[in-house]
Formats: sequence, C-alpha cells, structure tokens
Amino acid sequence: DGGITQSPKYLFRKEGQNVTLSCEQNLNHDAMYWYRQDPGQGLRLIYYSQIVNDFQKGDIAEGYSVSREKKESFPLTVTSAQKNPTAFYLCASSIFRGDNYGYTFGSGTRLTVV
Amino acid sequence: GQQLNQSPQSMFIQEGEDVSMNCTSSSIFNTWLWYKQDPGEGPVLLIALYKAGELTSNGRLTAQFGITRKDSFLNISASIPSDVGIYFCAGTLETSGSRLTFGEGTQLTVNP
Repeated sequence: DGGITQSPKYLFRKEGQNVTLSCEQNLNHDAMYWYRQDPGQGLRLIYYSQIVNDFQKGDIAEGYSVSREKKESFPLTVTSAQKNPTAFYLCASSIFRGDNYGYTFGSGTRLTVV
Repeated sequence: GQQLNQSPQSMFIQEGEDVSMNCTSSSIFNTWLWYKQDPGEGPVLLIALYKAGELTSNGRLTAQFGITRKDSFLNISASIPSDVGIYFCAGTLETSGSRLTFGEGTQLTVNP
C-alpha cells in the first residue's frame, strides 16, 4: 500500500542537540511539506519542496533545515537554534501539477526537549 | 499571515446532535478540502470540493464550496463519539498554485 511514513513516533532531545525527523513516501508525489503543530493550535508550514534538490522556506523556517536529495525522502533537522522545539511535527506530500487532490499526511513525530 | 478564518474554535455537543462548522476568507479559493485529525495522528482527508456551489457528501458528512469561492462549510449529522477530533478546512488560493492554506481548526468533543 502507498503511503507516507514518519519516524520516529516519539523523539526526545536534549537542549543544544540537533535531531533529524524522517519522512518517506512511496506515492510518487512531487511535493513534500513539513508542518509544526502546537497543542490546541493549527498547522504552521516550516519548509516545502516541489521538486528534488529544491525547497522553500515556509512561515516558521528559522531553526530548521531540510534536504530533498530523493523524490521519496524529505528529512527535517531541528537545530539547536530552534529555541522552542517541543511540538508535534507533521510531514505531508502531494501531486504538484494539475488538480489539487489534497495532501496526504504522515502520522506525525512528537518531539520533546528534556 | 492567516487567510482562512475557521469557526467555531471548539464545540461541545451531545451524541446524536448535528454539527456545523465553516471557513471564510477575503480571498478566492480554487479548491476547498476538509480534514479530520484524531489525537496523536496526522490529518485525514474527508471531503474535497473543486467547483463553486459544489455540494458533496461522505456518509454523515456534507460539505459545500461557497458560490463566491470565499467560503465553505462542513456539516456532520447525528454525531457519534468517534467524531471527536480536530477538523481543518484547507484550500488553494488562486495565486498559490497547489500549496494549501489551512484554517486554525475546530476541536469537536462529543459527549455520549
């Protein structure tokens, strides 16, 4: 079955450490996205990528970095520069061209700073 | 900045009641989508709308794409406990290609 997989489900980070969240899709989707969700709040766009080797900053990119070396993969690194990284992180993918059939989301990674 | 206003922010209802939520904007949208997010999971697409005036149902859910292309509503009939979750509207602006803009979400609680 095609889908989008995020790992790990739960991640604990010590202050000052960088951590990388994995996102893999086998839907042959062109575009991939990373969102941050804080408790009781909506989705805020961190980064997105429409094609391999290209990505753009979203609304809250500071303290985060991404890469898109393969169509299937879009890892997110939360750097030590992100001052408040505890949140629920969601990865999504979509077809880039033609009608918008919506995003397919992964099941999320909950990051906690300890 | 935020271009979609979703209301209400939260709803507390009794099982069996009908629910209505909506999203409005000052901008024109080409597509409206409604998602549901269960606790600790990613959002799942419920209904997609592609034409102004379009009315689409999915079981007990009904959604409409507003005639002005600036709003959409979602109705849930005869709510059940498993309807609990956060409901998001989303849309593609005329100017944003395939990139989605999300509403802030409606938190639905259903009391048995």
